[in-house]
Amino acid sequence: DTEVTQTPKHLVMGMTNKKSLKCEQHMGHRAMYWYKQKAKKPPELMFVYSYEKLSINESVPSRFSPECPNSSLLNLHLHALQPEDSALYLCASSQSTAFYNSPLHFGNGTRLTVT
Amino acid sequence: KQEVTQIPAALSVPEGENLVLNCSFTDSAIYNLQWFRQDPGKGLTSLLLIQSSQREQTSGRLNASLDKSSGRSTLYIAASQPGDSATYLCAVQTGTASKLTFGTGTRLQVTL
Repeated sequence: DTEVTQTPKHLVMGMTNKKSLKCEQHMGHRAMYWYKQKAKKPPELMFVYSYEKLSINESVPSRFSPECPNSSLLNLHLHALQPEDSALYLCASSQSTAFYNSPLHFGNGTRLTVT
Repeated sequence: KQEVTQIPAALSVPEGENLVLNCSFTDSAIYNLQWFRQDPGKGLTSLLLIQSSQREQTSGRLNASLDKSSGRSTLYIAASQPGDSATYLCAVQTGTASKLTFGTGTRLQVTL
């Protein structure tokens, strides 16, 4: 079982809906990440949080809004998405962005379909 | 811009065979290289992490090597098993904030 838990596992939403993806880890990690993965493609970084502060935004459209309410939780708020946003959204965590020997731990992802 | 390539894109081998997966990257200024496996529809599982100052890492039947100067890494899997069937991804960390650039992946199938 993965130590990073993502909910929901599957989500279908219309282009006018507002929904949120949730991610939780209890490993004491202080860095958390959102990745987007399209079918048969490698994951692409979206956001990085370090000590609950946003440190990287990879020019992601504003219809994706991340939130890190505490060191264990990471949310991704979705609004007015497009069908091309359909993908597997992966959350990951690591000890710290400053540790170069700290592997990333991934959750199983949320499969998002935008209709 | 860092680019990471994996060869082959797909590989099918009979059970018990030893195999090598390849990863190459264009910018040798990396902090580490990580190997992951991904099962269909699932997240990524970390297999091995090699720091830039290291040459190899081993875990069970897996051995990963790193030649930073030539921009190459290999993942050696000994005595392959059907349970090893998955997509294997390498990723390099460059710059700050643990930003990883992933390779294109190798889809491995181990047959009985």
